[in-house]
Amino acid sequence: ETGVTQTPRHLVMGMTNKKSLKCEQHLGHNAMYWYKQSAKKPLELMFVYNFKEQTENNSVPSRFSPECPNSSHLFLHLHTLQPEDSALYLCASSLRASVNEQFFGPGTRLTVL
Amino acid sequence: GDSVTQMEGPVTLSEEAFLTINCTYTATGYPSLFWYVQYPGEGLQLLLKATKADDKGSNKGFEATYRKETTSFHLEKGSVQVSDSAVYFCALSSSGGGADGLTFGKGTHLIIQP
Repeated sequence: ETGVTQTPRHLVMGMTNKKSLKCEQHLGHNAMYWYKQSAKKPLELMFVYNFKEQTENNSVPSRFSPECPNSSHLFLHLHTLQPEDSALYLCASSLRASVNEQFFGPGTRLTVL
Repeated sequence: GDSVTQMEGPVTLSEEAFLTINCTYTATGYPSLFWYVQYPGEGLQLLLKATKADDKGSNKGFEATYRKETTSFHLEKGSVQVSDSAVYFCALSSSGGGADGLTFGKGTHLIIQP
């Protein structure tokens, strides 16, 4: 499998549930990113990991918790979400910190009831 | 902070029409500029990029020129096809490097009618 993959592609959860989104890149990259895409708003950068270290947390609420166990995998753990958190969550990767070109996964469509 | 402004649309054109999607930006330093495209149900794909002033990025018949004097990176295509229907995002990366992520515009929904 090539490129950036995300699972699940669709997720429906209640406000009290705990779930996780998974991202995997098969490109040999060292930087990984989480973005949130909501209707009528620009993509919002949430988290950045560079060589497994978190380098940016863009004022994201603590109900979103990222994890990067290695350069190929990135998780987003979700708990006690709100309906306004419903969105498309996109994962991306880039070769290294000095390379700006990012490759995106297909996204996870999250609905919070 | 950095920001990107682009026309939101939807932009509706007939097949073979000329396309322009405007994009202007605000950034410190010398950012790299990108156009990404998102087809229905898919993630974003890099369409083209330019890393310094006066560079022209091109791909699949699309072009955009990095204009520092007008802080613009307008996307153009001479003859659009139905398959070009998608959402197009203009984005920039600060000159500090890719680890900071990209700053995106809101996206322009393009609809091409046969």
